[in-house]
Amino acid sequence: AQSVSQHNHHVILSEAASLELGCNYSYGGTVNLFWYVQYPGQHLQLLLKYFSGDPLVKGIKGFEAEFIKSKFSFNLRKPSVQWSDTAEYFCAVNAGDSNYQLIWGAGTKLIIKP
Amino acid sequence: SQTIHQWPATLVQPVGSPLSLECTVEGTSNPNLYWYRQAAGRGLQLLFYSVGIGQISSEVPQNLSASRPQDRQFILSSKKLLLSDSGFYLCAWSVNNEQFFGPGTRLTVL
Repeated sequence: AQSVSQHNHHVILSEAASLELGCNYSYGGTVNLFWYVQYPGQHLQLLLKYFSGDPLVKGIKGFEAEFIKSKFSFNLRKPSVQWSDTAEYFCAVNAGDSNYQLIWGAGTKLIIKP
Repeated sequence: SQTIHQWPATLVQPVGSPLSLECTVEGTSNPNLYWYRQAAGRGLQLLFYSVGIGQISSEVPQNLSASRPQDRQFILSSKKLLLSDSGFYLCAWSVNNEQFFGPGTRLTVL
């Protein structure tokens, strides 16, 4: 069965630190990849996505993610975090033949200390 | 632009009572619709999805059911709630594999 693994359930960083959240998936075919974010008290919203082309994708608020096909990974990065980045981050994968279903990681709660 | 509505925002129900959560989408036609349950530390669990009116696919066998009586309306129901049904329920719609989420319903079963 397809699965998505997020390596850290909780991450605590200080402002201006660099961030990398890991995401690995298990599916050998074509995939579409997503990172979603849920700020406290707000809807889940799309942070960035990869469908094809340049494996380094840029999203909102200075986030980026790199698709490394050989490692089945789609790690999320930000060079310098802010207090407002405190949120829960979810990685999700759509296999090319899955009829629009997304497979979700368990999420990573990120806390930024001011 | 498209918007998605869910209600109620919070709900407290006794064990054994029925449930009806409603989700409606505006600004799009024939969307794929989804019901998820979000549990802390476990991500999103897909419960049901629908690709059209009257077409429901169930991902997890349980005492919940879903219906799509209209193109942009998706309803999550139960005849008799269990304590284990407590959780945060999210409705979503999608186009081109990107999903858009509603504000969710926090259900507490006592």
